[in-house]
Amino acid sequence: GDSVTQMEGPVTLSEEAFLTINCTYTATGYPSLFWYVQYPGEGLQLLLKATKADDKGSNKGFEATYRKETTSFHLEKGSVQVSDSAVYFCALRLLLSGTYKYIFGTGTRLKVLA
Amino acid sequence: GAGVSQSPSNKVTEKGKDVELRCDPISGHTALYWYRQSLGQGLEFLIYFQGNSAPDKSGLPSDRFSAERTGGSVSTLTIQRTQQEDSAVYLCASSLELADTQYFGPGTRLTVL
Repeated sequence: GDSVTQMEGPVTLSEEAFLTINCTYTATGYPSLFWYVQYPGEGLQLLLKATKADDKGSNKGFEATYRKETTSFHLEKGSVQVSDSAVYFCALRLLLSGTYKYIFGTGTRLKVLA
Repeated sequence: GAGVSQSPSNKVTEKGKDVELRCDPISGHTALYWYRQSLGQGLEFLIYFQGNSAPDKSGLPSDRFSAERTGGSVSTLTIQRTQQEDSAVYLCASSLELADTQYFGPGTRLTVL
């Protein structure tokens, strides 16, 4: 069935380190892909998205490229900050038989140390 | 402007009781979504509304779960005869149009004793 798999956390990095959070998916059809972020004490919010193969989504220094050949959408940031500490969710959206379906990964907690 | 609001923020109930969870979307948003986040699990998509209509209810975990939306605004998620496995955070989101960016509420934490 359709699914999203993302790396288990927590991920602990020092400030200014390079970040990669892996996300792979299984889907029928052609999904749109998303990264959401949940900062401590806040609601979930969209970080970036990509709607077709080879699209790159970017926001706040984060990037992810829709790789159809490897069914992946890995999140990267060149230099993390303490303020990036949060839980990150990879997700996909499918349109099947005229209705939408949303599938989220289990989330990866990132902790950035000063 | 006001974001998505949900009430109550916390609900503790006894097994077998019915509960109602409420979601107030952002004004003017036509689409509304319900998710469940259980401990150690990702977000589980339950149902969405386009206007007052829910085209696909297959994501609801069991027939004890139902949802409605009236007036194209407020939505209620009802869980009948609650079970301990229903304990989770229930999140609501809304978007201007279907498939637009979703804005999430703070969630309702449901605990079934």
